[in-house]
Amino acid sequence: DTGVSQNPRHKITKRGQNVTFRCDPISEHNRLYWYRQTLGQGPEFLTYFQNEAQLEKSRLLSDRFSAERPKGSFSTLEIQRTEQGDSAMYLCASSPWTGETEAFFGQGTRLTVV
Amino acid sequence: GNSVTQMEGPVTLSEEAFLTINCTYTATGYPSLFWYVQYPGEGLQLLLKATKADDKGSNKGFEATYRKETTSFHLEKGSVQVSDSAVYFCALSVPGGGADGLTFGKGTHLIIQP
Repeated sequence: DTGVSQNPRHKITKRGQNVTFRCDPISEHNRLYWYRQTLGQGPEFLTYFQNEAQLEKSRLLSDRFSAERPKGSFSTLEIQRTEQGDSAMYLCASSPWTGETEAFFGQGTRLTVV
Repeated sequence: GNSVTQMEGPVTLSEEAFLTINCTYTATGYPSLFWYVQYPGEGLQLLLKATKADDKGSNKGFEATYRKETTSFHLEKGSVQVSDSAVYFCALSVPGGGADGLTFGKGTHLIIQP
């Protein structure tokens, strides 16, 4: 098992463009989380899935943000019409079962909006 | 709501010094408490955790005790090494408490000098 994998590791995009990030969790982890981390801050929870069901999305930062996990395995996070304020590290984490909140993190995707 | 407050960094110590990084929290419900560490260029890793009052989490010489009466979870190590240089995040999670994600502090950058 290679851990949580995120792609790409770095993304530079022009303001107004759409971007999509991918997360592959640890095999058989049924929970998957997305966080955002800005410079000098701790990670900020965005959303999570249990299998393919998105159980919490009210913390997504705006309606430009959306996430999917269509088959309960990998997940994608999309940001539409990017803004400079979206520049951050986007982290994915997974955990093995519903009652345990210990999460295993990927290395993140660093987004720079120019 | 839930929140975590940890001491501001950077914290600079000499090798073999005693380390304390303070962490206090507020939570709706009965949280589990965590310390995560982020080494340069790497993803967040769980360092230790405690799930109920008076539990002591420990790993790699680090310890933290869940103090419900003072709502604290201070991280300590008796003799730090240069390899401990990293950013340390205190975090909490309230199982079944709504979003069910982790709430992080801002992080404390620890620098150990030889």
